[in-house]
Amino acid sequence: QSALTQPDSVSGSPGQSITISCTGTARDVGGYNFVSWHQQHPGEAPKLIIYDVSDRPSGVSNRFSGSKSGNTASLTISGLQAEDEAEYYCSSYTSRSTLYVFGTGTTVTVL
Amino acid sequence: VQLVESGGGLVQPGRSMRLSCAASGFTFRNYGMHWVRQAPGKGLEWVAVIWSDGNKKYGSNEYYTDSVTGRFTISRDNSKNTLFLQMTSLRAEDTAIYYCARDLDHWELDSWGQGTLVTVSS
Repeated sequence: QSALTQPDSVSGSPGQSITISCTGTARDVGGYNFVSWHQQHPGEAPKLIIYDVSDRPSGVSNRFSGSKSGNTASLTISGLQAEDEAEYYCSSYTSRSTLYVFGTGTTVTVL
Repeated sequence: VQLVESGGGLVQPGRSMRLSCAASGFTFRNYGMHWVRQAPGKGLEWVAVIWSDGNKKYGSNEYYTDSVTGRFTISRDNSKNTLFLQMTSLRAEDTAIYYCARDLDHWELDSWGQGTLVTVSS
C-alpha cells in the first residue's frame, strides 16, 4: 500500500512550536476530511490526538492542532513540552482498494 | 473504554492463528472495530474493519487491506463484546504487534488496546 509521506524527524526546543506535514493525494488526504493524527510513545499503543482534520478528542491538550491544504495535512504542536517526544502518525481514508492508510511516521524530539 | 487483545504468540509459516479483543466500558455493538498492526520497529498498517450491524457504510460489513485479503477474516460476537481476527496462511511478513481499535464514527480510531505480538517463524 502507498503510505502517506511524513518527514522522518522534527525537533524543537521547549516552548517552541513545530509542524509535521503529511502529504498524500487527491484520493486520500486531498479528497476527504477523514484525516487523523496519532501519538505513540515507545512501547505504548497509539493515541488519537486529532481526527477529521482538525477536531480534538476530549482530554487532548489544545496545544495540538490540525489543518489541511490540498493534498497535505499538518499537525502543529505549540508550547512544546518534554512529554511531546514521541512518534506521530497521520492517517486517512483512501478511495484505493486498501481503504485506510497511515503515514510513514515522524519522530519528534524536544531539544 | 477498555480493549484487551489476546491470542498472539509464535506460529509457523503457513499455519493459522486467531486473535481476540475483549471490549468493555462502551456499547460494543454500536461501534465499528478495526485491526491495525505494527511490524517490529516499523510504522502502523491498517489491516481490517468490521462495521456495526446498523452502519454498513460502503455496502459491505468487512473490509481488508490488500495484503491480507483472502487470508484474514475479521468478525465479532456482540453478545460477548469480543472482536476476532482469524489469520490463515501466515507469512513471515505478518509478524507484528496487532492492535484492535474502536471507530468513533467514520474512520476515527479513538481507542486502542495494548496490542498482542504475533511472530511467524519456523
